Order: sequence, then C-alpha cells, then structure tokens
Amino acid sequence: GAVVSQHPSRVICKSGTSVKIECRSLDFQATTMFWYRQFPKQSLMLMATSNEGSKATYEQGVEKDKFLINHASLTLSTLTVTSAHPEDSSFYICSARDVGNTGELFFGEGSRLTVL
Amino acid sequence: DAKTTQPPSMDCAEGRAANLPCNHSTISGNEYVYWYRQIHSQGPQYIIHGLKNNETNEMASLIITEDRKSSTLILPHATLRDTAVYYCIVRVAGGETSGSRLTFGEGTQLTVNP
Repeated sequence: GAVVSQHPSRVICKSGTSVKIECRSLDFQATTMFWYRQFPKQSLMLMATSNEGSKATYEQGVEKDKFLINHASLTLSTLTVTSAHPEDSSFYICSARDVGNTGELFFGEGSRLTVL
Repeated sequence: DAKTTQPPSMDCAEGRAANLPCNHSTISGNEYVYWYRQIHSQGPQYIIHGLKNNETNEMASLIITEDRKSSTLILPHATLRDTAVYYCIVRVAGGETSGSRLTFGEGTQLTVNP
C-alpha cells in the first residue's frame, strides 16, 4: 500500500528554537496533506491542511505564524514549529491524500517533539 | 463529518473475537464508515471501510446496520498486537479535500489480554 514517511521520528530541542518536521509521500503524489497534533491520552486534533503550491489552511485556534507549513512539491510537506516552548511538546502526525489513485488517506508514523 | 460515539474502552481475551461498536445516527447518504486504529506512539492505520454492505478484508469485518446508524468492527481472532485505540469515522470517500479532513473522536481503547 501507499507509504507516508515522517522525519524525524523523535526530536528534542531547547525552548526558543525552531524545529522542522518533514512528511513525504513515498510512492504517490499528494496535492493535499494534513497535519495533526496529539497530546498524551488524547485524540488527534487537525491543525492544518497543506496545499501544494498555495498557502495552508489552518484550523481555528492554530497559530499560523507559530506552525509554518510549506508544501513545495507533490511529495513533501514540512511543518516548522517556531520558537518552540514546552507546551508545544506533542506527537505530530501527517496524512496524505493519494489523489492519483483512490483518493484515500495514508498516515505517517508520527514525530514526537519534546521541548526542554 | 457526522459525529460518532464509541465506548471508551473494551477488553478481549486473546484468540477470541473482538466486537467494537460505533454509533453514527446522523450519517449522510454519501458518507462511508471508516475504521482506523492507532497503536501506542504510532500513526493511525487504516483497517476497513464500507458504505452499506458488510465488508471483510484480511484484518477485520465490518457490519453496518440496515439503517446505517451504527456499525460493528469485528476482529475475528484478536491477538496481543491488536491492543490499540480504534477510531470509527464517517466521511465521504476519496473525492473532495473536505472529505479528507478527518475528525477523530476519542475512540475505543481495546486491550487484548493473554
């Protein structure tokens, strides 16, 4: 089946620094990718929709200047957490839509961010 | 997306069938029932989906009631590796981007016991 890969799987950073997380569709093209955040013992919360070649669409309450999303190619979307703080520590998950095939969604393995 | 209701937790003995219920009484005619699961610290994994008819694949079976207001995911012979949070989601299949913006509920924590 289709594969979506995230990198890094785990990252630890100091407060105030920026962290970039990559989401790649390995064997299909994805004009749309989605970024979710998941806190411990909670469900996934959609943060934003990443659109190739255009601006991302953010969900209500998500700061677009805090969580920068770039979708520069049909196989790569990046999420940059800027000026990270301990409360940004979370599990970040992306999903990608295989528009060229079934239009179905596939999820990445997730990236665990810990901000010290 | 239609709201779904699932029990917060269930237990199942290894080797027995696990039956996970989901209520989706406000489902629209063009919305499918999807099931995903999330093993601890991993991304969600697709299990199965269906519209009206019952479906079966190598992982599970999906039973949808005739009025489509509820469904049951069946893992026929649960193993310890099936311990996970199971999410029932209703959405439009493929198609528009709006149908891909999944709303995850709290899901059901299935624990398979030895």
